[in-house]
Amino acid sequence: TQLLEQSPQFLSIQEGENLTVYCNSSSVFSSLQWYRQEPGEGPVLLVTVVTGGEVKKLKRLTFQFGDARKDSSLHITAAQPGDTGLYLCAGAQGGTYKYIFGTGTRLKVLA
Amino acid sequence: NAGVTQTPKFRILKIGQSMTLQCTQDMNHNYMYWYRQDPGMGLKLIYYSVGAGITDKGEVPNGYNVSRSTTEDFPLRLELAAPSQTSVYFCASSYLAGAGTGELFFGEGSRLTVL
Repeated sequence: TQLLEQSPQFLSIQEGENLTVYCNSSSVFSSLQWYRQEPGEGPVLLVTVVTGGEVKKLKRLTFQFGDARKDSSLHITAAQPGDTGLYLCAGAQGGTYKYIFGTGTRLKVLA
Repeated sequence: NAGVTQTPKFRILKIGQSMTLQCTQDMNHNYMYWYRQDPGMGLKLIYYSVGAGITDKGEVPNGYNVSRSTTEDFPLRLELAAPSQTSVYFCASSYLAGAGTGELFFGEGSRLTVL
């Protein structure tokens, strides 16, 4: 059972469009993280959200943690080809140090 | 600035062979992790360690073993390789400021093919 489900699984959009990626769970997480992975490399951390309802912005990327701390979203404004990659959410199960990852969303931004 | 180093980067195994994937980090991180990533998918946790001498199972531990004799090293052992173990393996480490809030630093991955 995958505890962190992401949607959509794949997304192909034109440069300049907006998009939202979702990360959902039936479990409560003390925090959730978002990573981006490019081909042939390991994932790199984008942001950590800790408080329910928290919103964090990273240039054109906006991250939100659900009020109940069971879900998170990533919104990209005016997507650029450089945003292409695999986006992964991650969290530690039940207050442990057991970090699990979501199913992933593969984004392709066409010029 | 070595960070997390994995070896080998590529390996082809025959069914039934065994091998060890090496992982070492020079950041003095207590927490270390092994993940596998199948094509186009997310990462599945195999084993993790919260410090030297302490390891625990992740989501998909069957067919693998780990040890953590030092803070720096966290090798992953594959016994009796099977085609289902064909994957890219990532090692990661973290300082973890508080439970679940630390950044995971990843190695470049080890691509394993079992034929």
